[in-house]
This record gives sequence, structure tokens and C-alpha cells, in this order.
Amino acid sequence: DSGVTQTPKHLITATGQRVTLRCSPRSGDLSVYWYQQSLDQGLQFLIQYYNGEERAKGNILERFSAQQFPDLHSELNLSSLELGDSALYFCASSARTGGNGELFFGEGSRLTVL
Amino acid sequence: AQSVTQLDSQVPVFEEAPVELRCNYSSSVSVYLFWYVQYPNQGLQLLLKYLSGSTLVESINGFEAEFNKSQTSFHLRKPSVHISDTAEYFCAVTPPIKAAGNKLTFGGGTRVLVKP
Repeated sequence: DSGVTQTPKHLITATGQRVTLRCSPRSGDLSVYWYQQSLDQGLQFLIQYYNGEERAKGNILERFSAQQFPDLHSELNLSSLELGDSALYFCASSARTGGNGELFFGEGSRLTVL
Repeated sequence: AQSVTQLDSQVPVFEEAPVELRCNYSSSVSVYLFWYVQYPNQGLQLLLKYLSGSTLVESINGFEAEFNKSQTSFHLRKPSVHISDTAEYFCAVTPPIKAAGNKLTFGGGTRVLVKP
């Protein structure tokens, strides 16, 4: 158990809809990262938050947004969903001081868009 | 920017045989290197890491990886695999650590299928 909690584990929805994925980092971790894993793109970094502020941005679509709340949990919002958004979305966290670079991953949220 | 190439997308191997998973990276700065493992229907778990010091690093379950700076490689090996090693393995890099942490850049993954 990494200590990172993601909900929901599975989500099935239709094209055009909007979903919210939730992540609780390990206790004490200030940084949260979102990754998308798909068969054709592999593991793609989406976005990082540190103590409530956006820190780094990757290949995140404009239809996607994220935020980190004062209690340090984070949410990834996916809107106007397309079939190609079907993927496994991972959240990860890292130690307060950056640690040794290690990221701790949750078990992921599997999104299926029909 | 960094990039990671894992040369083999799939590696079938018989139980008790050795396995090597190849990883090459590209970076204009020094990097820290990681191997993560993803078992079926699970998240990613750290297998081993190279930060500095000895270029040969080992995991608790018999894997080892060697950092080769001149060849910009970090290949993963295990002398004798078990059925339970069936998983997908990801090589990853990150530049020197910032206080706020750094994202990891991952390779495309190598799927290892251990056959009895």
C-alpha cells in the first residue's frame, strides 16, 4: 500500500460527459502528480501541484483541469469526454522536500468512455 | 528535457531463466534513474533507483540495474525469474531534485511474461 488513495477505481461514462477523479496523497506529502496511461501513449505526465499551486504542466488537454485543495487532496476534472480519453489515470505524490525523486502511485482510476 | 527509450515492448522468458530489460535515456543534465514495476491491475511500485555512488543497484527481490553514463543506459537484469515477476516494467528519469519535487519521465514500458 503506497498510501495514495484514488477514487473511483472504475468509471464508465458516455462521450460528451464530465467526470471528476479524486486523489488523496500520502500523509505529509505536498506534491501531487497526475499521469494518464493508455495503450498507444504509454504513461504521460499531465500536471503537478505543490501545496495548492500548479507547479508543472505536461500534455494536458484544455478539456482537462485539476486543482489541489487546502487539505492537499487533488481532483482531476475531465470534460467533453471523447472515446480517446479512455485510459487509466494515476495520481502520485512525493515527499515534502522532494525526497530522493521517488513518486508514490495510487492504484489508478480506470475511465471508460462509450 | 529528458526522454527514455525502452527498446523491447515485450519480453517472453521461461521460469528460472535470466532476463534483461534495456533502458536508454537522453538528457542535457544529470539525472536520477528509476525502475518501476506494475503488476496486473495494480499501480506502479518502485523497484530500484540510482541517485549517486555505486553504479550497480539492487532490489530486495533479486533485480539489479547498472548505470552506464557513457552509454546513457540503465538496464535491468535478473539472473533467474519467477512466475510472479510477470508484470510491466518502466524505466524513468528525473533531473536533480527541486524542493517541490520533480515529475518522472517514463519510457514506454516492457511487458515481461514468465512462462512455466
